[in-house]
Order: sequence, then C-alpha cells, then structure tokens
Amino acid sequence: KQEVTQIPAALSVPEGENLVLNCSFTDSAIYNLQWFRQDPGKGLTSLLLIQSSQREQTSGRLNASLDKSSGRSTLYIAASQPGDSATYLCAVRTGGYQKVTFGIGTKLQVIP
Amino acid sequence: DGGITQSPKYLFRKEGQNVTLSCEQNLNHDAMYWYRQDPGQGLRLIYYSQIVNDFQKGDIAEGYSVSREKKESFPLTVTSAQKNPTAFYLCASSPQGAGETQYFGPGTRLLVL
Repeated sequence: KQEVTQIPAALSVPEGENLVLNCSFTDSAIYNLQWFRQDPGKGLTSLLLIQSSQREQTSGRLNASLDKSSGRSTLYIAASQPGDSATYLCAVRTGGYQKVTFGIGTKLQVIP
Repeated sequence: DGGITQSPKYLFRKEGQNVTLSCEQNLNHDAMYWYRQDPGQGLRLIYYSQIVNDFQKGDIAEGYSVSREKKESFPLTVTSAQKNPTAFYLCASSPQGAGETQYFGPGTRLLVL
C-alpha cells in the first residue's frame, strides 16, 4: 500500500526566503506526482504535475523535482511571499483513476 | 469561465437523514471523483467515475452513493448509514487518462446537527 509523508507538517518563514517542502512515498512504481495548494476552507489548486519519466517541472517561482528511486519529491519556492501562505499537498498516482494517494500536507506561513 | 462548482458550501444533516452534495463541471472532462478530507488525514477517495453511467467504489464508499447520468454532473448522497459524516467533501475531475491533472471544486463542509 502506497504511503505518502510530508515533512515538515508546518513551516513558518520570513518573507523573501527560499524554502523547500518535502514529500516521500513508499512505492516507487508511480505514474506521476502532483503538488497542490490548499487555502483554508477551499479546494485544491494544482501547482505542478511531474510524470514518472520526468525529473523536474517549473512554474514561475516554483520548482518541483522527482527522484523515483529514492521515493522523494521536493517543492522549491523561491523568494517566498505572504500570498504563498497555504497548505501544500503532494499526491502520488500508482495506477488507474482510483490509485491516487495524498499526503497530509505542509502548512506554510510566510511572515511579512 | 470553465471550472467545477460544488453546492452548497455548508450543509447540515439531521440524524437519519440523507443529504445530497452537488458537483458540476463544464471542463468537458470524462472522469470525476469524490474525496473526503478530515483533519490530520490525507484525502480519501469515496467514488470515482470514468464515463457517464459508470462509477466505481473508492476506499471509503460505505454509507455513500453516487450517480453519473450526465457528463457534467456527479452528485454524492450521504446516507443515514454513514455514521461519521462530518467532513470536508471535495469533488474533482480530470480528462480521460490516468496521467492527467485533477481539478478540484471549492468543497462542501458537512456538519451533523
């Protein structure tokens, strides 16, 4: 059974700092890995999707990497802003439509 | 604007009552999903549907039912058999294909009176 762990559970940083969020998974036979953002009481917003054949994806200040062999992904946020404050979730797909496992998330607070 | 809508935003259920959560999408996506989110837990899949008139149970389907009569709509009914229904419910959709991005609605928070 796939298990997804996100460390740390919470993170507080001053504005402008670069930061890294971690996601680890136990089954390396994955189709893809997706990073989401969730604001309090809201739905999930997709940030980046990395297919199993890819090593990284970039979108603006965000960069996500994938190392299947070690079962790890990182989300790098450059020059953090208060608007980045949210919970960040990673989700790993290991099969068909029903085989997506979500982590609990890392709650990020960026202090002005 | 294309997207996924869920209604209502808040829903209150009385003991023994069935309630239905609405999910509509205008993204022309084939696949739709229902997830439940509880504090301290990752999202858990309740039901999913790959095409119209077909749906499959997820990991925690007991006490829930769904229908998929139209491509755009995937309503979820929380039945009286679901003994712990208080949670945040999220609907999602994706294009056909297991490698595609999932798009989520804004969620419905269900509370028990």
